[in-house]
Amino acid sequence: DTGVSQDPRHKITKRGQNVTFRCDPISEHNRLYWYRQTLGQGPEFLTYFQNEAQLEKSRLLSDRFSAERPKGSFSTLEIQRTEQGDSAMYLCASSSRQGVNYEQYFGPGTRLTVT
Amino acid sequence: GQNIDQPTEMTATEGAIVQINCTYQTSGFNGLFWYQQHAGEAPTFLSYNVLDGLEEKGRFSSFLSRSKGYSYLLLKELQMKDSASYLCAPELNSGGYQKVTFGTGTKLQVIP
Repeated sequence: DTGVSQDPRHKITKRGQNVTFRCDPISEHNRLYWYRQTLGQGPEFLTYFQNEAQLEKSRLLSDRFSAERPKGSFSTLEIQRTEQGDSAMYLCASSSRQGVNYEQYFGPGTRLTVT
Repeated sequence: GQNIDQPTEMTATEGAIVQINCTYQTSGFNGLFWYQQHAGEAPTFLSYNVLDGLEEKGRFSSFLSRSKGYSYLLLKELQMKDSASYLCAPELNSGGYQKVTFGTGTKLQVIP
C-alpha cells in the first residue's frame, strides 16, 4: 500500500454513460497526476495538479475528459459520453519533492471497461 | 513518448545480474524515474536520479548520465519475483512545468 487510494477499483459501464473516478493522494503531497494505461503500453500522461491548480492537460485528451482537485486534496476524473476506446486502467499518482529527493507513488488504479 | 527508448523484452537467469538501458531526449530534462510494474498492478516506485552517477538501493541500482541522455537500471541477484516490466520515466520541463512521461517499458523474464 503506497498511501494513494483510488475508487472504484473496477468500473464497467455502457457506451455513452458518464463515469467519475476519485483519487486520494498521500496527504502531504502537493502534486497529483492522472495517467491512462492500456495493455502493453506505459502510463500515458493525462493531466496534473500542483495543489488545486491544474497545470497541464494532455493534448490527447478530448473535451469529454475533465479533472478537478478542489482544495488541493482529493481529485476526481470524469469521462463524459464514454466510448469503447476509453477502456483502460486509470492511474493516479502523487508526489513530493525535497531538494534532489523526489518520490512519486501510484495508487492501485481504476480499471474501466466500456461495453 | 518523448523519444524514450528502452528494450522491449529481456530474459535473464535467476541469481544473475541484468542491466536495463534507457535513452531519452535531453531537452528540458530534470530527472528520471524507474518503476517496476507486475502484470495487472500499478507501477511501483524504484528510484529517482537527478545527479550523474550511480545510486544503489539494495539489489537495485540506477545510473544517470545527463549529458548523454542515458540511464540504466541494474538488478543484482535476480529472483523469480523480479519478473516484471521496468519503466523508464524522465521528468521534463514543459511550458514551465515539470511533467513525467513514460516509455513503453522493458518486460523482464527471470528464468530458473
